[in-house]
Amino acid sequence: DVKVTQSSRYLVKRTGEKVFLECVQDMDHENMFWYRQDPGLGLRLIYFSYDVKMKEKGDIPEGYSVSREKKERFSLILESASTNQTSMYLCASSDRLSNQPQHFGDGTRLSIL
Amino acid sequence: SQKIEQNSEALNIQEGKTATLTCNYTNYSPAYLQWYRQDPGRGPVFLLLIRENEKEKRKERLKVTFDTTLKQSLFHITASQPADSATYLCALNTGGFKTIFGAGTRLFVKA
Repeated sequence: DVKVTQSSRYLVKRTGEKVFLECVQDMDHENMFWYRQDPGLGLRLIYFSYDVKMKEKGDIPEGYSVSREKKERFSLILESASTNQTSMYLCASSDRLSNQPQHFGDGTRLSIL
Repeated sequence: SQKIEQNSEALNIQEGKTATLTCNYTNYSPAYLQWYRQDPGRGPVFLLLIRENEKEKRKERLKVTFDTTLKQSLFHITASQPADSATYLCALNTGGFKTIFGAGTRLFVKA
Protein backbone atom coordinates (compact mmCIF):
# COMPACT_ATOMS: atom_id res chain seq x y z
CA ASP A 1 0.00 0.00 0.00
CA VAL A 2 1.14 3.51 -0.79
CA LYS A 3 1.93 5.49 2.29
CA VAL A 4 2.11 9.26 2.34
CA THR A 5 3.23 10.57 5.70
CA GLN A 6 2.89 14.15 6.84
CA SER A 7 5.14 15.15 9.70
CA SER A 8 2.50 16.70 11.98
CA ARG A 9 -1.23 16.19 12.41
CA TYR A 10 -1.68 19.46 14.31
CA LEU A 11 0.50 22.55 14.36
CA VAL A 12 0.09 25.94 16.01
CA LYS A 13 2.31 28.82 14.94
CA ARG A 14 2.42 32.57 15.32
CA THR A 15 1.95 35.27 12.70
CA GLY A 16 5.20 36.05 10.92
CA GLU A 17 6.88 32.74 11.69
CA LYS A 18 8.45 30.64 8.93
CA VAL A 19 6.63 27.31 8.89
CA PHE A 20 7.77 24.03 7.35
CA LEU A 21 5.37 21.20 6.50
CA GLU A 22 7.02 17.94 5.52
CA CYS A 23 5.68 15.10 3.41
CA VAL A 24 7.26 11.75 2.59
CA GLN A 25 5.98 9.03 0.24
CA ASP A 26 7.27 5.47 0.02
CA MET A 27 6.11 4.40 -3.46
CA ASP A 28 8.75 6.01 -5.65
CA HIS A 29 6.14 8.31 -7.21
CA GLU A 30 7.31 11.05 -9.55
CA ASN A 31 4.50 13.50 -8.82
CA MET A 32 3.84 15.18 -5.50
CA PHE A 33 1.28 17.82 -4.60
CA TRP A 34 0.37 20.23 -1.82
CA TYR A 35 -3.25 21.29 -1.31
CA ARG A 36 -5.12 23.24 1.27
CA GLN A 37 -8.68 22.31 2.19
CA ASP A 38 -11.15 24.82 3.57
CA PRO A 39 -14.86 24.27 4.28
CA GLY A 40 -16.98 24.81 1.20
CA LEU A 41 -13.98 25.42 -1.05
CA GLY A 42 -12.71 21.92 -1.60
CA LEU A 43 -9.06 21.15 -2.20
CA ARG A 44 -7.05 23.92 -3.79
CA LEU A 45 -3.68 23.20 -5.35
CA ILE A 46 -0.79 25.24 -3.95
CA TYR A 47 2.21 23.69 -5.72
CA PHE A 48 3.13 20.45 -7.38
CA SER A 49 6.32 18.76 -8.46
CA TYR A 50 6.78 16.21 -11.24
CA ASP A 51 10.45 15.45 -10.56
CA VAL A 52 13.24 16.15 -8.12
CA LYS A 53 14.07 19.86 -7.98
CA MET A 54 11.15 20.64 -10.30
CA LYS A 55 8.14 22.61 -9.13
CA GLU A 56 5.10 24.21 -10.69
CA LYS A 57 2.71 26.77 -9.22
CA GLY A 58 -0.82 25.66 -8.60
CA ASP A 59 -3.85 27.88 -8.22
CA ILE A 60 -2.94 29.61 -4.95
CA PRO A 61 0.88 29.77 -4.60
CA GLU A 62 1.08 33.23 -3.04
CA GLY A 63 2.72 33.18 0.38
CA TYR A 64 4.07 29.64 -0.09
CA SER A 65 7.16 28.00 -1.50
CA VAL A 66 8.20 24.37 -1.87
CA SER A 67 11.30 22.25 -1.92
CA ARG A 68 11.94 18.84 -3.44
CA GLU A 69 15.54 17.81 -2.94
CA LYS A 70 14.81 14.07 -2.87
CA LYS A 71 12.21 12.10 -4.80
CA GLU A 72 10.37 10.88 -1.71
CA ARG A 73 10.16 14.21 0.13
CA PHE A 74 8.19 17.36 -0.70
CA SER A 75 8.21 20.28 1.71
CA LEU A 76 5.81 23.20 1.89
CA ILE A 77 7.12 26.45 3.35
CA LEU A 78 5.08 29.35 4.61
CA GLU A 79 7.57 32.17 4.34
CA SER A 80 5.86 34.47 6.84
CA ALA A 81 2.74 32.87 8.26
CA SER A 82 -0.48 34.86 8.33
CA THR A 83 -3.83 34.12 9.93
CA ASN A 84 -5.48 33.51 6.54
CA GLN A 85 -3.18 30.53 6.10
CA THR A 86 -4.94 28.71 8.92
CA SER A 87 -6.22 25.60 7.15
CA MET A 88 -5.93 21.85 6.61
CA TYR A 89 -2.92 21.06 4.43
CA LEU A 90 -2.89 17.84 2.43
CA CYS A 91 0.04 16.29 0.63
CA ALA A 92 -0.46 13.76 -2.19
CA SER A 93 1.63 11.71 -4.57
CA SER A 94 0.93 9.91 -7.83
CA ASP A 95 2.65 7.89 -10.48
CA ARG A 96 4.05 9.59 -13.56
CA LEU A 97 1.02 9.30 -15.88
CA SER A 98 -1.47 12.14 -15.53
CA ASN A 99 -4.48 9.86 -15.16
CA GLN A 100 -3.16 8.06 -12.11
CA PRO A 101 -5.02 8.49 -8.82
CA GLN A 102 -3.50 10.61 -6.11
CA HIS A 103 -2.60 9.10 -2.75
CA PHE A 104 -3.06 11.46 0.16
CA GLY A 105 -1.59 11.84 3.60
CA ASP A 106 -3.90 12.45 6.55
CA GLY A 107 -3.25 16.17 6.58
CA THR A 108 -1.79 18.78 8.89
CA ARG A 109 -4.25 21.07 10.61
CA LEU A 110 -2.34 24.32 10.89
CA SER A 111 -3.46 27.21 13.07
CA ILE A 112 -1.79 30.59 12.79
CA LEU A 113 -2.39 32.80 15.84
CA SER B 1 -11.84 28.16 -16.07
CA GLN B 2 -13.04 24.66 -15.36
CA LYS B 3 -15.28 24.34 -12.30
CA ILE B 4 -16.83 21.43 -10.47
CA GLU B 5 -20.11 21.57 -8.60
CA GLN B 6 -21.21 19.03 -6.05
CA ASN B 7 -24.29 19.30 -3.91
CA SER B 8 -23.19 21.07 -0.74
CA GLU B 9 -26.20 19.78 1.19
CA ALA B 10 -25.70 16.53 3.02
CA LEU B 11 -27.47 13.46 1.72
CA ASN B 12 -29.31 11.40 4.33
CA ILE B 13 -30.51 7.94 3.38
CA GLN B 14 -31.69 4.77 5.06
CA GLU B 15 -29.48 1.70 5.24
CA GLY B 16 -30.05 -0.64 2.30
CA LYS B 17 -31.10 2.12 -0.11
CA THR B 18 -29.08 3.38 -3.05
CA ALA B 19 -27.22 6.65 -2.56
CA THR B 20 -26.75 8.81 -5.65
CA LEU B 21 -24.32 11.73 -5.65
CA THR B 22 -23.98 14.25 -8.45
CA CYS B 23 -20.96 15.98 -9.94
CA ASN B 24 -21.43 18.69 -12.57
CA TYR B 25 -18.64 20.46 -14.39
CA THR B 26 -18.43 23.47 -16.67
CA ASN B 27 -16.55 24.06 -19.88
CA TYR B 28 -14.79 21.25 -21.66
CA SER B 29 -15.17 17.59 -20.87
CA PRO B 30 -12.13 16.10 -19.16
CA ALA B 31 -10.42 13.00 -20.45
CA TYR B 32 -11.32 11.22 -17.23
CA LEU B 33 -13.00 11.83 -13.91
CA GLN B 34 -12.23 10.40 -10.47
CA TRP B 35 -14.18 9.85 -7.27
CA TYR B 36 -12.63 9.88 -3.80
CA ARG B 37 -13.92 9.17 -0.30
CA GLN B 38 -12.86 11.30 2.67
CA ASP B 39 -13.51 10.45 6.31
CA PRO B 40 -13.32 13.15 9.02
CA GLY B 41 -9.73 13.97 9.91
CA ARG B 42 -8.32 11.83 7.11
CA GLY B 43 -7.05 12.44 3.60
CA PRO B 44 -9.13 11.51 0.54
CA VAL B 45 -8.93 7.92 -0.69
CA PHE B 46 -9.28 7.07 -4.38
CA LEU B 47 -12.31 4.95 -5.32
CA LEU B 48 -12.93 4.93 -9.07
CA LEU B 49 -11.79 6.47 -12.34
CA ILE B 50 -13.97 6.72 -15.45
CA ARG B 51 -12.77 7.78 -18.89
CA GLU B 52 -14.70 10.01 -21.30
CA ASN B 53 -15.35 7.11 -23.67
CA GLU B 54 -16.80 4.97 -20.86
CA LYS B 55 -20.44 5.43 -19.99
CA GLU B 56 -20.35 3.42 -16.79
CA LYS B 57 -17.85 1.84 -14.38
CA ARG B 58 -18.55 -0.55 -11.52
CA LYS B 59 -16.61 -1.76 -8.50
CA GLU B 60 -18.44 -3.96 -6.02
CA ARG B 61 -21.35 -1.83 -4.68
CA LEU B 62 -20.12 1.32 -6.43
CA LYS B 63 -21.18 2.55 -9.85
CA VAL B 64 -20.08 5.69 -11.68
CA THR B 65 -21.58 7.13 -14.85
CA PHE B 66 -20.14 9.84 -17.09
CA ASP B 67 -22.36 11.87 -19.42
CA THR B 68 -20.29 14.29 -21.50
CA THR B 69 -23.44 15.77 -23.07
CA LEU B 70 -24.88 16.75 -19.70
CA LYS B 71 -21.39 17.44 -18.31
CA GLN B 72 -22.23 15.30 -15.36
CA SER B 73 -21.07 12.25 -13.42
CA LEU B 74 -23.27 10.28 -11.06
CA PHE B 75 -21.86 8.16 -8.23
CA HIS B 76 -24.07 5.39 -6.86
CA ILE B 77 -23.65 3.24 -3.75
CA THR B 78 -26.08 0.34 -3.76
CA ALA B 79 -27.22 -1.45 -0.59
CA SER B 80 -25.72 1.38 1.44
CA GLN B 81 -24.40 0.76 4.94
CA PRO B 82 -23.66 3.09 7.87
CA ALA B 83 -19.95 2.50 7.15
CA ASP B 84 -20.46 4.27 3.81
CA SER B 85 -21.05 7.54 5.68
CA ALA B 86 -18.34 9.93 4.55
CA THR B 87 -17.70 12.86 2.22
CA TYR B 88 -17.36 11.97 -1.45
CA LEU B 89 -15.26 14.13 -3.74
CA CYS B 90 -15.38 14.36 -7.49
CA ALA B 91 -12.17 15.28 -9.31
CA LEU B 92 -11.19 15.93 -12.88
CA ASN B 93 -7.98 16.45 -14.73
CA THR B 94 -7.60 19.82 -16.43
CA GLY B 95 -4.59 18.89 -18.53
CA GLY B 96 -1.13 17.80 -17.59
CA PHE B 97 -0.77 16.93 -13.92
CA LYS B 98 -3.33 19.33 -12.50
CA THR B 99 -6.48 17.91 -11.00
CA ILE B 100 -9.29 20.00 -9.61
CA PHE B 101 -11.53 18.71 -6.84
CA GLY B 102 -15.10 19.47 -5.96
CA ALA B 103 -15.97 20.53 -2.41
CA GLY B 104 -17.61 17.17 -1.82
CA THR B 105 -21.00 15.89 -0.71
CA ARG B 106 -21.45 14.50 2.78
CA LEU B 107 -23.37 11.23 2.94
CA PHE B 108 -25.07 9.93 6.10
CA VAL B 109 -26.46 6.41 6.07
CA LYS B 110 -28.82 5.69 8.96
CA ALA B 111 -29.19 2.21 10.41
